[in-house]
Amino acid sequence: DSGVTQTPKHLITATGQRVTLRCSPRSGDLSVYWYQQSLDQGLQFLIQYYNGEERAKGNILERFSAQQFPDLHSELNLSSLELGDSALYFCASSVVGLESGNTQYFGPGTRLTVL
Amino acid sequence: AQSVTQLGSHVSVSEGALVLLRCNYSSSVPPYLFWYVQYPNQGLQLLLKYTSAATLVKGINGFEAEFKKSETSFHLTKPSAHMSDAAEYFCAVRTGANNLFFGTGTRLTVIP
Repeated sequence: DSGVTQTPKHLITATGQRVTLRCSPRSGDLSVYWYQQSLDQGLQFLIQYYNGEERAKGNILERFSAQQFPDLHSELNLSSLELGDSALYFCASSVVGLESGNTQYFGPGTRLTVL
Repeated sequence: AQSVTQLGSHVSVSEGALVLLRCNYSSSVPPYLFWYVQYPNQGLQLLLKYTSAATLVKGINGFEAEFKKSETSFHLTKPSAHMSDAAEYFCAVRTGANNLFFGTGTRLTVIP
């Protein structure tokens, strides 16, 4: 158990819908990262938050957005869903960033299926 | 830019045999390198990491990796495979933006 929790575990929805994925980082971790894992794209970095502020953006679509709240939990919002958005979405957390070789700890993931 | 390449999307070994999973990196700055393991229907677990200290890094479950700058490699090894090692293994490098760039993964099968 990494200490990172994600809800829900599974999500099935229809095209065009909007969903929210939730992540609680390990106690004491200030940075939260979101990754998408799909068969065709592999594991891709989406976005990072540090202590409530967006710090880095990766291959995140404009239809996707995220935020980190004062209690440090984070939510990833996916809207106007398409079939290709079906994937495993991972959240990871670290104490700060990776500048000092800190480790990113991964949650169990949310499996999103868009029908 | 930083990236990693994992050679071999599938590797099969017999139980008790040497495990060797290959990873080559590209980085314009001194790299931080990581190996993660993903068991079926689970998240990623850190096996080991290199952050510019000792070049031979020991990790959990008997795995180790050696950082070789001249070969730009960070291969993962284990002397004797166990059935429980069957999983997908990912090599990753820290990017300039301080997140992780992952390789495409290597699925390890252990044959009894």
